[in-house]
Amino acid sequence: EVQLVESGGGLVQPGGSLRLSCAASGFTFSGYWMYWVRQAPGKGLMWVSAINTDGSDTNYADSVKGRLTITRDNAKNTLYLQMNSLRAEDTAVYYCARDTGRYFQHWGQGTLVIVSS
Amino acid sequence: EIVLTQSPVTLSLSPGERATLSCRASQSVGSYLVWYQQKPGQAPRLLIYDASNRATGIPARFSGSGSGTDFTLTISSLEPEDFAVYYCHQRSDWPLTFGGGTKVEIK
Repeated sequence: EVQLVESGGGLVQPGGSLRLSCAASGFTFSGYWMYWVRQAPGKGLMWVSAINTDGSDTNYADSVKGRLTITRDNAKNTLYLQMNSLRAEDTAVYYCARDTGRYFQHWGQGTLVIVSS
Repeated sequence: EIVLTQSPVTLSLSPGERATLSCRASQSVGSYLVWYQQKPGQAPRLLIYDASNRATGIPARFSGSGSGTDFTLTISSLEPEDFAVYYCHQRSDWPLTFGGGTKVEIK
C-alpha cells in the first residue's frame, strides 16, 4: 500500500525557517517525480514545487522561488521541503504527492505550517 | 500561467440529482485536465485524469468530458458521500495550476 506521511509543520515567526519531510513507503520511491502542493486555510489548492526522480531537476511556483527548496533522499525514501524567509501567506497545509506524469495519484495527509508572530 | 475558472462556485442539489461542474482554461490544455474531490479535513482524491478517464475505484456515476479550454465533470446521480469540493487541475504547462473549486452542497 502506498503511504506518504508528512511531518515537520508547526508555528514559526515571519522570516523564520522550517523543514518539512515526507516519508514514502509501499512503492519504489526513486522511480517517481514528487511534488508539494499547499492549501491555505479555507482556500483552494496551489502547486508549490516538483522534483524529478534523481533530484537533478526541480521546479517552483514563482511565489516561493528563492525561499523554498525541494530535495529528496532516495536512500531514505524521503522528500523534503526546506522553507526559509517564511511569510504569513505561506500559512497552509502542505501535502506531498506522488506523480505519474499526468496526475497526482497519491497524497499524504498534510502537515500544517502557521507563520505568525 | 494558465488560469482555470470553475463554475459555479457553489452548487446546491439534493441526493439523486445530476451535478454538472464546469472548468474553463485561459488557453488550451489539450486533454491534460484532471479532477479531484476533497472532503473537509482530507487530502484530495483523484477522480478523473486526461479529461475523461476515471481513476481506479471511482464509481461510474462520475464522468468527465471536454478538451482544449472547456471541461465538464458530471455526477449522474448524487450520493450522500459526493457532497464535497471539486477541483480541476491542468497538467499541460508549468506552472501547474488548479481551479478555485466548486462546492457541491446538500440543498
